[in-house]
Amino acid sequence: GESVGLHLPTLSVQEGDNSIINCAYSNSASDYFIWYKQESGKGPQFIIDIRSNMDKRQGQRVTVLLNKTVKHLSLQIAATQPGDSAVYFCAENIYGNNRLAFGKGNQVVVIP
Amino acid sequence: GAVVSQHPSWVICKSGTSVKIECRSLDFQATTMFWYRQFPKQSLMLMATSNEGSKATYEQGVEKDKFLINHASLTLSTLTVTSAHPEDSSFYICSAGGRYNHYGYTFGSGTRLTVV
Repeated sequence: GESVGLHLPTLSVQEGDNSIINCAYSNSASDYFIWYKQESGKGPQFIIDIRSNMDKRQGQRVTVLLNKTVKHLSLQIAATQPGDSAVYFCAENIYGNNRLAFGKGNQVVVIP
Repeated sequence: GAVVSQHPSWVICKSGTSVKIECRSLDFQATTMFWYRQFPKQSLMLMATSNEGSKATYEQGVEKDKFLINHASLTLSTLTVTSAHPEDSSFYICSAGGRYNHYGYTFGSGTRLTVV
């Protein structure tokens, strides 16, 4: 059933500022990571991915950083816009296993 | 780009009835599709992996007789929630493709199921 009283970690950011969203992943064997954006009532939308042989990858206005030593992933959004308001999830995958495991999610609220 | 269509987007059903949710890959073939369940303010939990032409692989704790999955073609997988109860009310999301697919993991828009 539904859980009552759960709150996602929330990041409030002023429009135009940069956002940093963090994710601690669980499996040291994971070697492929994806960031997704999910707007209310919709399915996840791919933002950017990174493989474990890299520690940084840049996209349009987004950068993903990977620190395998501490099993940490971050997503940086430059010049955050109101349309960036959403819940952001990291997901991890292990080579040889097609399943994707999602992290807990972070709510980003952009203040105009 | 890859598009996954999920239908219906929302459904309300009476307790004890069954509901079928469809997931279609519109412009690519998906030998693998995934079904997730998401409660409010929570993450996506993988329920099962659906493979075309074979039985689905269910995650631990997911009742296979309750959540029937059929993947009869390379573009369609269905999830049937049988004998639905209010606790089955949730947001169900499908994904097609996977790591070894050219398009990666592409998600549908989700289905909001409410059982009354």
